[in-house]
Amino acid sequence: AQKVTQAQTEISVVEKEDVTLDCVYETRDTTYYLFWYKQPPSGELVFLIRRNSFDEQNEISGRYSWNFQKSTSSFNFTITASQVVDSAVYFCALSERGTGTASKLTFGTGTRLQVTL
Amino acid sequence: DTEVTQTPKHLVMGMTNKKSLKCEQHMGHRAMYWYKQKAKKPPELMFVYSYEKLSINESVPSRFSPECPNSSLLNLHLHALQPEDSALYLCASSQGRPGQGRGYEKLFFGSGTQLSVL
Repeated sequence: AQKVTQAQTEISVVEKEDVTLDCVYETRDTTYYLFWYKQPPSGELVFLIRRNSFDEQNEISGRYSWNFQKSTSSFNFTITASQVVDSAVYFCALSERGTGTASKLTFGTGTRLQVTL
Repeated sequence: DTEVTQTPKHLVMGMTNKKSLKCEQHMGHRAMYWYKQKAKKPPELMFVYSYEKLSINESVPSRFSPECPNSSLLNLHLHALQPEDSALYLCASSQGRPGQGRGYEKLFFGSGTQLSVL
């Protein structure tokens, strides 16, 4: 069975601080996909990044960066120089490769990030 | 702005009422999803439609009835709900390209319908 653990329930930082959100996953599959989604107060989940299990390259997109380490089954997310607009709930998710045309995600419990001035 | 539109944004209903949630996307996506999200919890998958056919039903009670009338629309019909069904109901879509393999696709979510059952 798949499992995604986000041990940090809530994190509070002051604007301009760096913050790292942790994600640890469990799966028996050799091919799988990892995702991060952001859920602002408006409700919709916004896709941030997708990683497949064979691509351990770290990625940077502006102030966001992701560290995928297969050896520790972790896919951590760092926001550099945080801003108030980063305040949201962040979900890490895991999806198996399979047949068909749709995706079935297993979400972590989410980390609520509060950025204050 | 989200490209998946859900209506209504808020809904209050009694346990004997019948109501419907509506979801629409015009991105040409062929997979559409219903998720349920309780407060401070992650989204839970309810149903998946692929090419207008129901492909996944996560053992959802029959008081929830999904419908996909065409590739752009997804409905969720509600009847005889319980107070514990109060939640945010999220619709999502993905490209649903054959051959890509389940799991690869990123989902586009709507803002959800906040449902309260009295």
